[in-house]
This record gives sequence, C-alpha cells and structure tokens, in this order.
Amino acid sequence: QVQLQESGPGLVKPSETLSLTCTVSGGSISSYYWSWIRQPAGKGLEWIGRIYTSGSTNYNPSLKSRVTMSVDTSKNQFSLKLSSVTAADTAVYYCARSIAVAPFDYWGQGTLVTVSS
Amino acid sequence: VIWMTQSPSLLSASTGDRVTISCRMSQGISSYLAWYQQKPGKAPELLIYAASTLQSGVPSRFSGSGSGTDFTLTISCLQSEDFATYYCQQYYSFPRTFGQGTKVEIK
Repeated sequence: QVQLQESGPGLVKPSETLSLTCTVSGGSISSYYWSWIRQPAGKGLEWIGRIYTSGSTNYNPSLKSRVTMSVDTSKNQFSLKLSSVTAADTAVYYCARSIAVAPFDYWGQGTLVTVSS
Repeated sequence: VIWMTQSPSLLSASTGDRVTISCRMSQGISSYLAWYQQKPGKAPELLIYAASTLQSGVPSRFSGSGSGTDFTLTISCLQSEDFATYYCQQYYSFPRTFGQGTKVEIK
C-alpha cells in the first residue's frame, strides 16, 4: 500500500522560504506525477504544482514565481520550496500522487504550516 | 484557468436521503472530472474519476454523471459515515482546480 508522509517546519517567518518534503513508501516514486496541494483552515483546496520523476514540472500560475519543486528518486522523496511567504500561505499542505492525466489517488495526511513572526 | 462552481455549499440531510451535488465548469472538460470526500482533519479521498467511474472500494451508493460542463455526484441512500465535505476537481488542463466544496451535514 502506497503511503505518503509530509515533513518540514510547522512555523515559518514572513518573507522566508517554506520547505517541505514528501516521502513515498510502499511503492516506487518512478513513473508518477507528484503534486503539492494546500488548504487554508476552513477553506477549499488549491493545487500548487507537480513534478514528474524526470524532474519536469507544472506550476500553478498564481504561485509560479515563488515555487520550486524537486525530486530525489534515490530517497523516494520530492520537495516543495515556497519563497517570500506571508500569512496568506498559512495552510495544511498535502502531497499527492497521480499519473499524467488523472486525479489524485493517494494523499499524505497533511502538515500544517503557519507563517508568523 | 477553468473555474468551477459547486453547489450547494451546504446541504442538510438525513440518513437514508438521496442527495445530489452539482459542479459546473467555465468551459468544457470532456469527462476529466473527479470527486473527493474529505472528513475533518483528514486528507481528501478519491471517490469517482472520469466523471462516473467508482474508485476501488467506494460503496455503490455513490455515483457520478455528466460530461462537458455539467457534472453531478449522487449519494443514493445517505449513511452516517457520508457526512463530510465533497469536492469536485478537473484534470483536463492546468492549473488543476477544485470546486469550493459542499458540506453535507446532519439535518
């Protein structure tokens, strides 16, 4: 059974960079697309972007200037960096899996990131 | 960007009721639509993909229909475990987008 687990700091200061890692277990990271999705408290879901195991990416235009994703197939991990954060970036961040043109079939449990000084 | 209008935002129902949730797209997406269920403090779970295909393990009381711009999620006989928030999501184009969500609460 594929499992995804997010990890990273739960508190980030304004203007700094949010960094999260998702570790995939129970299956290979290869040949799948790996996404980051976030959800502010009490609100809906926002897709941040995705990365393929080759390193190719698609980002949400609303966040593209601040987002960088990377993948480490040797560790079965992929990562998100979001720069110049503000309080509006406070949310639960999920990692999720899909194939090319498909929905998200496996999700991590989510990790809360708060942006505050 | 494909905008999605999901309705209603809140639905009050009783166990055993038949409920319907609508999702309308700002442009046609063929059948590239999924439905998710999310319970408090949990990640969303995939219920339906390709507009009408049930994900493995999902009870048959859930069904989806539609294509193009108008889609529907139906729960034929609401069970206690179905009280949750439901989201539609399109995977036809980038950026992937979600509906605003429909909370199904106990009447």
